[in-house]
Amino acid sequence: QSALTQPASMSGSPGQSITISCTGTSSDVGGYNYVSWYQQHPGKAPKFMIFEVSNRPSGVSNRFSGSKSGNTASLTISGLQAEDEADYYCSSYTNTNTLRVFGGGTKLTVL
Amino acid sequence: VPLVESGGGLIQPGGSLRLSCSASGFTFSNYDMNWVRQAPGKGLDWVSYIDSSSGNIYYADSVKGRFTISRDNAKNSLYLQMNSLRAEDTAVYYCARDGGSGWSLDYWGQGTLVSVSS
Repeated sequence: QSALTQPASMSGSPGQSITISCTGTSSDVGGYNYVSWYQQHPGKAPKFMIFEVSNRPSGVSNRFSGSKSGNTASLTISGLQAEDEADYYCSSYTNTNTLRVFGGGTKLTVL
Repeated sequence: VPLVESGGGLIQPGGSLRLSCSASGFTFSNYDMNWVRQAPGKGLDWVSYIDSSSGNIYYADSVKGRFTISRDNAKNSLYLQMNSLRAEDTAVYYCARDGGSGWSLDYWGQGTLVSVSS
């Protein structure tokens, strides 16, 4: 069981917006603005998409945005495109001895 | 790709394996590093962290006492010594750079597969 809870799967049509949630506790998501998001296509390494809750690294489309409320962080993808079909993982710093935790991942299908 | 892992393979339960990660294109000694694994069909699972000077090291509870992370800044290399391997350690192992911004992992290698089976 992953430390952070994400929906196992979500789907949307091209052009729509979807929001993936990531729920933790006050020891991780709720306690720090250190949530990051990663995109992973099948057979590929994860790609860094969002850091510190809502910041995009250089080169990442502005269709991707992040936010947080309490113990839940969210990744919103607007204007869905076929290439957005992938697995998405959230991660957070944690003040427990494990330092870093991941969510179980969300499989996004673009219909 | 600035990170390249090697050393994976098929190993019997109870055996040992040493993974390496070779870094290029950036000043390796300035960055903290991590190992993250992914079992077949499963999600990402953080394994271990080492800071730039090897002064601070952390492990996931599942590998504590069995795995050892280390680095050689002169060789631009990160290592993971894995002992007492179990079937549940079977996974693709990625090395990942800590980008320095909010505990995020900004660069990942392509991974090396470790299969633990008799």
